Amino acid sequence: EAGVAQSPRYKIIEKRQSVAFWCNPISGHATLYWYQQILGQGPKLLIQFQNNGVVDDSQLPKDRFSAERLKGVDSTLKIQPAKLEDSAVYLCASSLPPSRGGYEHEQFFGPGTRLTVL
Amino acid sequence: DAKTTQPPSMDCAEGRAANLPCNHSTISGNEYVYWYRQIHSQGPQYIIHGLKNNETNEMASLIITEDRKSSTLILPHATLRDTAVYYCIVRAPGGGADGLTFGKGTHLIIQP
Repeated sequence: EAGVAQSPRYKIIEKRQSVAFWCNPISGHATLYWYQQILGQGPKLLIQFQNNGVVDDSQLPKDRFSAERLKGVDSTLKIQPAKLEDSAVYLCASSLPPSRGGYEHEQFFGPGTRLTVL
Repeated sequence: DAKTTQPPSMDCAEGRAANLPCNHSTISGNEYVYWYRQIHSQGPQYIIHGLKNNETNEMASLIITEDRKSSTLILPHATLRDTAVYYCIVRAPGGGADGLTFGKGTHLIIQP
């Protein structure tokens, strides 16, 4: 079974530039997440999609970050304009939706994109 | 904020059992305990989860105290490849918004 794919793996940009990350989840996984992981910290949820709808974007800095999942499969996360503090690893994860009984399936993470903002 | 407390780091000798503690004294009755780990330069990986009974799978065992205020993840025969940051997470089922809230985890170092 193919895992979660992300690209690029590494990106270096200057502050105030724009950048976009791409994620392809595991086939059949309706739920997709984007996390930000700053060095030395655990991942922090940015946004959660269920199919092509947003479930939770409460921690997404909406003045500069945007994300979409137009056809309910692939997703892109964009930062415009980037700040120095956006330097982090951006992780994409996917999972099956919760079962009718409320069982929460595990999340499968991609390798991440390491962003450096100079 | 994470609802769990873990030691920042631990060492374990290769071949021995690694016992990773986690305190979750404010856990609610319907919240599960999940464990994930993150090997260097990789995304987190699911290990195991449980509600109140002890659980075992091919990777690890999870022991939850009777009052559910703490738990221990056990790697029975640690190898060098088990060196990673281990995250203990509590979360309630259902509700739709089910993003994981990670703390800083425990950096487990397996010594040869």
